[in-house]
Amino acid sequence: KNEVEQSPQNLTAQEGEFITINCSYSVGISALHWLQQHPGGGIVSLFMLSSGKKKHGRLIATINIQEKHSSLHITASHPRDSAVYICAARIQGAQKLVFGQGTRLTINP
Amino acid sequence: GAVVSQHPSRVICKSGTSVKIECRSLDFQATTMFWYRQFPKQSLMLMATSNEGSKATYEQGVEKDKFLINHASLTLSTLTVTSAHPEDSSFYICSARAVAGSEEQYFGPGTRLTVT
Repeated sequence: KNEVEQSPQNLTAQEGEFITINCSYSVGISALHWLQQHPGGGIVSLFMLSSGKKKHGRLIATINIQEKHSSLHITASHPRDSAVYICAARIQGAQKLVFGQGTRLTINP
Repeated sequence: GAVVSQHPSRVICKSGTSVKIECRSLDFQATTMFWYRQFPKQSLMLMATSNEGSKATYEQGVEKDKFLINHASLTLSTLTVTSAHPEDSSFYICSARAVAGSEEQYFGPGTRLTVT
Protein backbone atom coordinates (compact mmCIF):
# COMPACT_ATOMS: atom_id res chain seq x y z
CA LYS A 1 0.00 0.00 0.00
CA ASN A 2 1.35 3.41 -0.98
CA GLU A 3 1.98 5.92 1.77
CA VAL A 4 -0.04 8.44 -0.25
CA GLU A 5 -3.27 7.36 -1.92
CA GLN A 6 -5.47 9.42 -4.20
CA SER A 7 -9.03 8.90 -5.33
CA PRO A 8 -10.52 8.72 -7.80
CA GLN A 9 -7.88 7.70 -10.34
CA ASN A 10 -9.99 9.03 -13.17
CA LEU A 11 -12.79 11.57 -13.08
CA THR A 12 -14.93 12.83 -15.93
CA ALA A 13 -17.43 15.62 -15.37
CA GLN A 14 -19.44 18.24 -17.23
CA GLU A 15 -18.43 21.85 -17.36
CA GLY A 16 -19.68 23.73 -14.34
CA GLU A 17 -19.68 20.79 -11.95
CA PHE A 18 -18.07 20.92 -8.51
CA ILE A 19 -15.04 18.63 -8.40
CA THR A 20 -13.46 16.93 -5.41
CA ILE A 21 -10.24 14.95 -5.46
CA ASN A 22 -9.14 13.17 -2.31
CA CYS A 23 -5.74 12.33 -0.87
CA SER A 24 -5.06 10.14 2.15
CA TYR A 25 -1.71 9.43 3.73
CA SER A 26 -0.60 6.96 6.33
CA VAL A 27 2.45 8.61 7.88
CA GLY A 28 3.23 11.83 9.72
CA ILE A 29 3.88 14.66 7.32
CA SER A 30 5.24 18.17 7.54
CA ALA A 31 3.44 19.46 4.44
CA LEU A 32 1.23 18.36 1.59
CA HIS A 33 1.37 19.70 -1.95
CA TRP A 34 -1.23 19.71 -4.66
CA LEU A 35 0.23 19.76 -8.17
CA GLN A 36 -1.25 20.05 -11.66
CA GLN A 37 0.15 18.54 -14.82
CA HIS A 38 -1.31 19.15 -18.26
CA PRO A 39 -0.74 16.55 -20.99
CA GLY A 40 2.85 16.65 -22.18
CA GLY A 41 3.54 19.49 -19.79
CA GLY A 42 5.45 20.38 -16.71
CA ILE A 43 4.26 20.42 -13.16
CA VAL A 44 2.58 23.47 -11.63
CA SER A 45 2.43 23.76 -7.88
CA LEU A 46 -1.12 24.71 -6.85
CA PHE A 47 -1.00 24.63 -3.07
CA MET A 48 1.26 23.77 -0.17
CA LEU A 49 -0.61 23.00 3.04
CA SER A 50 0.39 22.13 6.54
CA SER A 51 -2.98 22.87 8.14
CA GLY A 52 -6.42 24.29 7.45
CA LYS A 53 -7.57 25.54 4.10
CA LYS A 54 -6.29 27.59 1.19
CA LYS A 55 -8.16 29.15 -1.71
CA HIS A 56 -6.91 30.46 -5.03
CA GLY A 57 -9.51 31.47 -7.57
CA ARG A 58 -11.79 28.50 -8.19
CA LEU A 59 -9.47 26.09 -6.41
CA ILE A 60 -9.74 25.21 -2.73
CA ALA A 61 -7.49 22.85 -0.81
CA THR A 62 -8.13 21.55 2.68
CA ILE A 63 -6.22 19.31 5.01
CA ASN A 64 -7.22 17.47 8.19
CA ILE A 65 -4.07 16.49 10.02
CA GLN A 66 -5.84 14.27 12.55
CA GLU A 67 -7.59 12.27 9.84
CA LYS A 68 -4.53 12.31 7.55
CA HIS A 69 -6.65 13.49 4.65
CA SER A 70 -6.61 16.33 2.15
CA SER A 71 -9.03 17.38 -0.56
CA LEU A 72 -8.73 19.53 -3.64
CA HIS A 73 -11.95 21.16 -4.82
CA ILE A 74 -12.62 22.92 -8.10
CA THR A 75 -15.71 25.10 -8.32
CA ALA A 76 -17.43 25.91 -11.63
CA SER A 77 -15.15 23.49 -13.48
CA HIS A 78 -14.04 24.33 -17.01
CA PRO A 79 -12.53 22.22 -19.81
CA ARG A 80 -9.19 23.97 -19.26
CA ASP A 81 -9.11 22.38 -15.80
CA SER A 82 -8.61 19.02 -17.53
CA ALA A 83 -5.27 17.75 -16.29
CA VAL A 84 -3.67 15.27 -13.91
CA TYR A 85 -3.80 16.40 -10.30
CA ILE A 86 -1.20 14.99 -7.96
CA CYS A 87 -0.91 15.17 -4.21
CA ALA A 88 2.54 14.86 -2.70
CA ALA A 89 3.46 14.66 0.95
CA ARG A 90 6.68 15.50 2.67
CA ILE A 91 7.21 12.93 5.39
CA GLN A 92 8.34 14.42 8.69
CA GLY A 93 12.10 14.59 8.89
CA ALA A 94 12.61 13.73 5.21
CA GLN A 95 13.66 15.91 2.30
CA LYS A 96 11.82 14.14 -0.47
CA LEU A 97 8.16 14.17 -1.46
CA VAL A 98 6.06 11.01 -1.67
CA PHE A 99 3.64 11.22 -4.58
CA GLY A 100 0.13 9.92 -5.01
CA GLN A 101 -0.74 8.11 -8.21
CA GLY A 102 -2.48 11.14 -9.66
CA THR A 103 -6.08 11.81 -10.65
CA ARG A 104 -6.82 12.30 -14.32
CA LEU A 105 -9.59 14.90 -14.59
CA THR A 106 -11.52 15.46 -17.80
CA ILE A 107 -14.07 18.27 -17.98
CA ASN A 108 -16.37 18.04 -20.98
CA PRO A 109 -17.94 21.16 -22.45
CA GLY B 1 5.65 32.58 -7.53
CA ALA B 2 9.19 31.32 -7.80
CA VAL B 3 10.32 30.09 -11.21
CA VAL B 4 12.38 27.08 -12.15
CA SER B 5 13.52 26.71 -15.75
CA GLN B 6 14.87 23.71 -17.62
CA HIS B 7 16.86 23.57 -20.81
CA PRO B 8 16.38 22.07 -23.27
CA SER B 9 12.66 21.39 -23.25
CA ARG B 10 13.08 18.62 -25.81
CA VAL B 11 16.13 16.76 -27.01
CA ILE B 12 16.68 13.90 -29.41
CA CYS B 13 20.01 12.14 -29.36
CA LYS B 14 21.59 9.02 -30.76
CA SER B 15 22.39 5.96 -28.68
CA GLY B 16 25.77 6.18 -27.04
CA THR B 17 25.91 9.93 -26.82
CA SER B 18 25.61 12.01 -23.65
CA VAL B 19 22.98 14.63 -22.97
CA LYS B 20 23.07 17.43 -20.41
CA ILE B 21 19.91 18.95 -18.96
CA GLU B 22 20.11 22.22 -17.04
CA CYS B 23 17.85 23.29 -14.21
CA ARG B 24 17.93 26.88 -13.00
CA SER B 25 16.14 28.68 -10.21
CA LEU B 26 15.48 32.10 -11.71
CA ASP B 27 14.50 34.27 -8.77
CA PHE B 28 15.64 32.42 -5.69
CA GLN B 29 18.58 30.46 -4.41
CA ALA B 30 17.96 26.73 -4.31
CA THR B 31 19.76 24.94 -1.51
CA THR B 32 18.25 21.62 -2.56
CA MET B 33 17.34 20.38 -6.01
CA PHE B 34 15.56 17.18 -6.94
CA TRP B 35 15.64 15.28 -10.21
CA TYR B 36 12.64 13.18 -11.21
CA ARG B 37 11.86 10.87 -14.06
CA GLN B 38 8.35 10.28 -15.34
CA PHE B 39 7.18 7.48 -17.60
CA PRO B 40 3.95 7.85 -19.60
CA LYS B 41 0.83 7.82 -17.44
CA GLN B 42 2.88 7.29 -14.30
CA SER B 43 3.74 9.51 -11.39
CA LEU B 44 7.09 11.13 -10.77
CA MET B 45 9.95 8.90 -9.66
CA LEU B 46 12.68 10.57 -7.62
CA MET B 47 16.11 9.90 -9.07
CA ALA B 48 18.34 11.94 -6.79
CA THR B 49 18.53 14.80 -4.35
CA SER B 50 21.35 17.30 -4.53
CA ASN B 51 22.41 19.94 -2.07
CA GLU B 52 24.55 22.80 -3.30
CA GLY B 53 28.23 22.06 -3.04
CA SER B 54 27.88 18.42 -2.07
CA LYS B 55 27.47 15.12 -3.86
CA ALA B 56 24.01 14.07 -4.90
CA THR B 57 22.15 11.36 -3.01
CA TYR B 58 20.76 8.82 -5.45
CA GLU B 59 17.67 6.71 -4.92
CA GLN B 60 17.99 2.95 -4.91
CA GLY B 61 18.27 1.54 -8.40
CA VAL B 62 19.46 4.77 -10.02
CA GLU B 63 22.97 4.45 -11.49
CA LYS B 64 25.03 7.41 -10.35
CA ASP B 65 27.64 6.86 -13.08
CA LYS B 66 24.95 6.98 -15.74
CA PHE B 67 23.00 9.94 -14.39
CA LEU B 68 25.58 12.50 -13.35
CA ILE B 69 24.26 15.33 -11.23
CA ASN B 70 26.14 18.53 -10.53
CA HIS B 71 24.80 21.25 -8.23
CA ALA B 72 27.66 23.68 -8.48
CA SER B 73 25.81 26.86 -7.56
CA LEU B 74 22.71 27.93 -5.70
CA THR B 75 20.87 28.57 -8.97
CA LEU B 76 22.03 25.77 -11.25
CA SER B 77 21.92 22.00 -11.25
CA THR B 78 22.69 19.78 -14.21
CA LEU B 79 21.74 16.21 -15.03
CA THR B 80 23.92 14.45 -17.60
CA VAL B 81 22.65 11.20 -19.08
CA THR B 82 25.81 9.43 -20.17
CA SER B 83 25.97 6.86 -22.98
CA ALA B 84 22.27 7.20 -23.52
CA HIS B 85 20.17 4.23 -24.61
CA PRO B 86 16.59 4.13 -25.94
CA GLU B 87 15.36 2.96 -22.52
CA ASP B 88 16.57 6.28 -21.09
CA SER B 89 13.93 8.04 -23.16
CA SER B 90 11.66 9.72 -20.67
CA PHE B 91 10.40 13.00 -19.25
CA TYR B 92 12.89 14.46 -16.76
CA ILE B 93 11.73 17.07 -14.25
CA CYS B 94 13.75 19.07 -11.78
CA SER B 95 12.47 20.74 -8.65
CA ALA B 96 13.99 23.13 -6.15
CA ARG B 97 13.58 24.15 -2.54
CA ALA B 98 14.60 27.64 -1.54
CA VAL B 99 16.07 27.35 1.92
CA ALA B 100 16.74 24.50 4.29
CA GLY B 101 13.59 23.75 6.23
CA SER B 102 11.32 25.54 3.76
CA GLU B 103 8.35 23.51 2.66
CA GLU B 104 7.93 25.38 -0.61
CA GLN B 105 9.07 23.36 -3.60
CA TYR B 106 8.96 24.57 -7.18
CA PHE B 107 8.97 22.44 -10.30
CA GLY B 108 10.56 22.96 -13.66
CA PRO B 109 8.68 22.50 -16.95
CA GLY B 110 10.44 19.24 -17.73
CA THR B 111 12.70 17.95 -20.51
CA ARG B 112 11.56 15.27 -22.90
CA LEU B 113 14.49 13.09 -23.90
CA THR B 114 14.23 10.75 -26.87
CA VAL B 115 17.14 8.43 -27.59
CA THR B 116 17.16 6.90 -31.05
